[in-house]
Amino acid sequence: GAVVSQHPSWVICKSGTSVKIECRSLDFQATTMFWYRQFPKQSLMLMATSNEGSKATYEQGVEKDKFLINHASLTLSTLTVTSAHPEDSSFYICSAAGLARDTQYFGPGTRLTVL
Amino acid sequence: DAKTTQPPSMDCAEGRAANLPCNHSTISGNEYVYWYRQIHSQGPQYIIHGLKNNETNEMASLIITEDRKSSTLILPHATLRDTAVYYCIDFGGSQGNLIFGKGTKLSVKP
Repeated sequence: GAVVSQHPSWVICKSGTSVKIECRSLDFQATTMFWYRQFPKQSLMLMATSNEGSKATYEQGVEKDKFLINHASLTLSTLTVTSAHPEDSSFYICSAAGLARDTQYFGPGTRLTVL
Repeated sequence: DAKTTQPPSMDCAEGRAANLPCNHSTISGNEYVYWYRQIHSQGPQYIIHGLKNNETNEMASLIITEDRKSSTLILPHATLRDTAVYYCIDFGGSQGNLIFGKGTKLSVKP
C-alpha cells in the first residue's frame, strides 16, 4: 500500500509553546489529507480535512485558530498546535488519499506530551 | 457516531483462522465496507475493502453477505503480530469521512 510518514514521532513541549507536525505522502500525490486525534483507550476522532491549496475544513468542536493546518503541496500537510496546553496531549495521526479520495492511508502517528 | 457494530474483543489461537464479524445494517448502496487495523501506538493500517463481492488480498479475505448488512474479515493463519484493534467502517469514499467506532480487539495467543 501507499506510504505516509509523520515527523516527529513523538514530542514533549512546555505549556504555551507551539508544535508543528508534518505529514508526507511518500509515493503518491495526496489531494486530500486528514488529521485525527486519539486519546488513550479511545478511538480516532477526525479533527479536520484539508485539500491541497485550500483552507481546511474543521470538525465541530475543533478550534481552527488553535490547530493550524497547511496543505501547501500534494505531498505535505502540517498541523501546528498553537499555545499547547496539557489537555492537548494526545496521539495525532494523519492520513492521505489520492484524487478518488477512496482509500485513506495513515501515518504512524505523533505522540504529543505537553508539560 | 460509527454506524457499524463489532464485538469488543476476540481471541484466536496462533496459526488458526481469525474470523471478525461486523454488522452494517444501515449501509447505503454506494458505500463500501472498509477494514483497518491498529496495532498498539501505531497509525491504522489499511487491510481490505469491498462493495458487494467477496474480496481477497495478501493480508485477508472479506466476505460480504448478499444483503450487505454484515461482513466477516478472515485472517487465514493468524500470527502474534496480528494482535490489534480491527475497525470495520462503511464509507462512501469522496462522499463522506471515515468514522471509527471502538472496533474489535483481537488477541492472538500462542
